[in-house]
Amino acid sequence: GQNIDQPTEMTATEGAIVQINCTYQTSGFNGLFWYQQHAGEAPTFLSYNVLDGLEEKGRFSSFLSRSKGYSYLLLKELQMKDSASYLCAVRDKAAGNKLTFGGGTRVLVKP
Amino acid sequence: DAGVTQSPTHLIKTRGQQVTLRCSPKSGHDTVSWYQQALGQGPQFIFQYYEEEERQRGNFPDRFSGHQFPNYSSELNVNALLLGDSALYLCASSFRLGQGATGELFFGEGSRLTVL
Repeated sequence: GQNIDQPTEMTATEGAIVQINCTYQTSGFNGLFWYQQHAGEAPTFLSYNVLDGLEEKGRFSSFLSRSKGYSYLLLKELQMKDSASYLCAVRDKAAGNKLTFGGGTRVLVKP
Repeated sequence: DAGVTQSPTHLIKTRGQQVTLRCSPKSGHDTVSWYQQALGQGPQFIFQYYEEEERQRGNFPDRFSGHQFPNYSSELNVNALLLGDSALYLCASSFRLGQGATGELFFGEGSRLTVL
């Protein structure tokens, strides 16, 4: 099976930076995704990493280290609307390439 | 361009009943995956359909079954409902991995099932 671990909850101040870590164990890593999910809404795609390094998309960046089984999502210049759950998901070739999600990290942005 | 649509959005059933949830994928997508999301948890993979066949299955009992139609839409059926089946059921569509796509999932708004 797969283990995907991420913190349950984080709190940060508007305008600050928050880093959400995700560690995983797979036998056939084939990509890592980050999704944002506001309460009562569908998850929406944020980023995709399959090679080591940093992918930047505006205020959001995602980093991957395959050798360490580790990724992080960096949220810069936090806005109140960034309050949401952030889901780390891993695709595993050995598991038929299905996407397996972690439990999600709930980020609360305070004024 | 319509995204992923699911119906119904909310429904209430009693233990032992059966339920059918429906999903229309994003235009152009050929693969549909179903997930169960309990409150405060991440989505749990139920199964995936491609070319009208179940291709992958998660750790869910046989009470959970599905179907994909020639137009790529899909249904999720749950028989003999239990209280623990109360959850948000998410449908996600994608291009088949390997067709020049990353396999990124696009989610519908979900069907919230309450079992009493």
